[in-house]
Amino acid sequence: AQSVSQHNHHVILSEAASLELGCNYSYGGTVNLFWYVQYPGQHLQLLLKYFSGDPLVKGIKGFEAEFIKSKFSFNLRKPSVQWSDTAEYFCAVNPYSGAGSYQLTFGKGTKLSVIP
Amino acid sequence: DTAVSQTPKYLVTQMGNDKSIKCEQNLGHDTMYWYKQDSKKFLKIMFSYNNKELIINETVPNRFSPKSPDKAHLNLHINSLELGDSAVYFCASSPRPKEGTQYFGPGTRLTVL
Repeated sequence: AQSVSQHNHHVILSEAASLELGCNYSYGGTVNLFWYVQYPGQHLQLLLKYFSGDPLVKGIKGFEAEFIKSKFSFNLRKPSVQWSDTAEYFCAVNPYSGAGSYQLTFGKGTKLSVIP
Repeated sequence: DTAVSQTPKYLVTQMGNDKSIKCEQNLGHDTMYWYKQDSKKFLKIMFSYNNKELIINETVPNRFSPKSPDKAHLNLHINSLELGDSAVYFCASSPRPKEGTQYFGPGTRLTVL
């Protein structure tokens, strides 16, 4: 079964620092990749997604992610974080197949705390 | 104009009780899901319905029973609640399940005492 690994459980940064959150998945076929964000006390919201094409995708709020197929990775980046970016970040994979289930598999999440 | 809504937002109950959580989406999506998020924030799918039919039923106790009266609603009924059922339950919907984009509800925090 496919799995998603997020290497960092908790990341603490000062405002204006650069951010990179790691995500690796284990699935050999075609995948769709996602980053979702969950602000404190709120529901999950889509940050960005990759289906095909340019491996560098841009999302909302200045976030971007790079898909590196050879490394099975989809790392999330932001050049300069703000206090309002404090949240839990989830990487998710939806392996595409012609048949079978269409479920998202989520990583265990990375908590980001930004210190003002 | 809420896209995916859940009621109630908070649910506190005693062990052994039966409770329901309701979910409605006004996005016109055919597919809806229930997820359980535990205290460590791990998100795990429980059920998926496509146009009122169950298509995923992960290994969850049969005390949990989803019901979809129509494609805009997916309710979750839980019998004989246990302490370990305490979690946040999220409903989600998707316009294109193969693609994977999902829209989540605000969550229901269930506390079993």
